[in-house]
Amino acid sequence: EAGVAQSPRYKIIEKRQSVAFWCNPISGHATLYWYQQILGQGPKLLIQFQNNGVVDDSQLPKDRFSAERLKGVDSTLKIQPAKLEDSAVYLCASSLVMTHNTEAFFGQGTRLTVV
Amino acid sequence: DAKTTQPTSMDCAEGRAANLPCNHSTISGNEYVYWYRQIHSQGPQYIIHGLKNNETNEMASLIITEDRKSSTLILPHATLRDTAVYYCIVRASGGSYIPTFGRGTSLIVHP
Repeated sequence: EAGVAQSPRYKIIEKRQSVAFWCNPISGHATLYWYQQILGQGPKLLIQFQNNGVVDDSQLPKDRFSAERLKGVDSTLKIQPAKLEDSAVYLCASSLVMTHNTEAFFGQGTRLTVV
Repeated sequence: DAKTTQPTSMDCAEGRAANLPCNHSTISGNEYVYWYRQIHSQGPQYIIHGLKNNETNEMASLIITEDRKSSTLILPHATLRDTAVYYCIVRASGGSYIPTFGRGTSLIVHP
């Protein structure tokens, strides 16, 4: 079974530039999550999708971050404009359904450095 | 969700059992205990979860105290590849499932 695919693996941009990350979840997984992990901290949920609908985006900084999952499969996360404090690893995860008894599978993440 | 408390770091000799504690004293009756781990430069990986009874799978064992206020993840024969950050998470059975991570325990397995 193929895992969660993310690209790019690494990205370096200057502050105020824009950047986009792509995620392809495991086939058939209805639920997709984007997390931000700052160095030395645990992952923090940014947004959760159920199919192509947003379930929770309460921690997404909506003035600069946006995410979409138009066809209920792939998803993109965008930052515009980027700030220095956005330097982090952005993790995508998916799960089969949205219940307690289902494990979430994570991709390897995209490491973003804002200079 | 109930909060969890874990030691910041631990170490273990290769081949020995690694016992990682987690305190979740405010856990409620419908909340499960989950463990994930994150190896350097990788995404978190699910290990095991349980409600009341002890659980075992090919990766680890989970021991939950009778009052459910604490649990221990046991790696029976730790290897160097088990060096990682281990996260203990408590999640409710109803509603949406959103894995929320604390800082976890950094386990170093040494030769």
